[in-house]
Amino acid sequence: EVQLVESGGGLVQPGGSLRLSCAASEFNFSNYSMNWVRQAPGKGLEWVSYISSSRSATYYADSVKGRFTISRDNAKNSLYLQMNSLRAEDTAVYYCARVVVVPAAIPPYYYYYYMDVWGKGTTVTVSS
Amino acid sequence: DIQMTQSPSSLSASVGDRVTITCRASQSVSSYLNWYQQKPGKAPKLLIYAASSLQGGVPSRFSGSGSGTDFTLTISSLQPEDFATYYCQQSYTTLFTFGPGTTVDI
Repeated sequence: EVQLVESGGGLVQPGGSLRLSCAASEFNFSNYSMNWVRQAPGKGLEWVSYISSSRSATYYADSVKGRFTISRDNAKNSLYLQMNSLRAEDTAVYYCARVVVVPAAIPPYYYYYYMDVWGKGTTVTVSS
Repeated sequence: DIQMTQSPSSLSASVGDRVTITCRASQSVSSYLNWYQQKPGKAPKLLIYAASSLQGGVPSRFSGSGSGTDFTLTISSLQPEDFATYYCQQSYTTLFTFGPGTTVDI
């Protein structure tokens, strides 16, 4: 079964750091782009970061830019999110998600990106 | 940045009802629009991609339409397992903005 399993969440003080991991199984991880998406308690979904399959492209939400770093190790089928300078507003469940990238056949001929496999999430709590 | 809005924010419906949820983008996203379903305590699930393409394994009572700035998700006959929160998400830019969600309850 295609699966993503997040780990590394926990309680951290404001200003602290945490590294999340996402282990992929039963699919060719190196062929897929990946996203991190988070959800604060009682709130909606917020996209956090994207990394392409070859690691050549990374993108970040403005809310985390300069503080979070996304990376991957295709040999280990693993995705990571290094989170520094954590704030209370970073408290959330963090999901990793597989991204399907498909070229569009109609103008403007961009790429369709959609998240077809999600992990169950790991909880990060930033509090003193 | 592209902002996404959804209406209504919540709705009450009954089994068998036809339900329509609207998503609007602050600028054109062409057909680069996805829909996800999330149940409490669970990860989101992809329903519709590219505005109108049904993800494999998703029941045909779900459908998506629209292009540009205005999109709809329709559930033709609401089933008990469809009570959930629904999110639209644009992928026109690589800042993959989600809408605020629409909760469908009884």
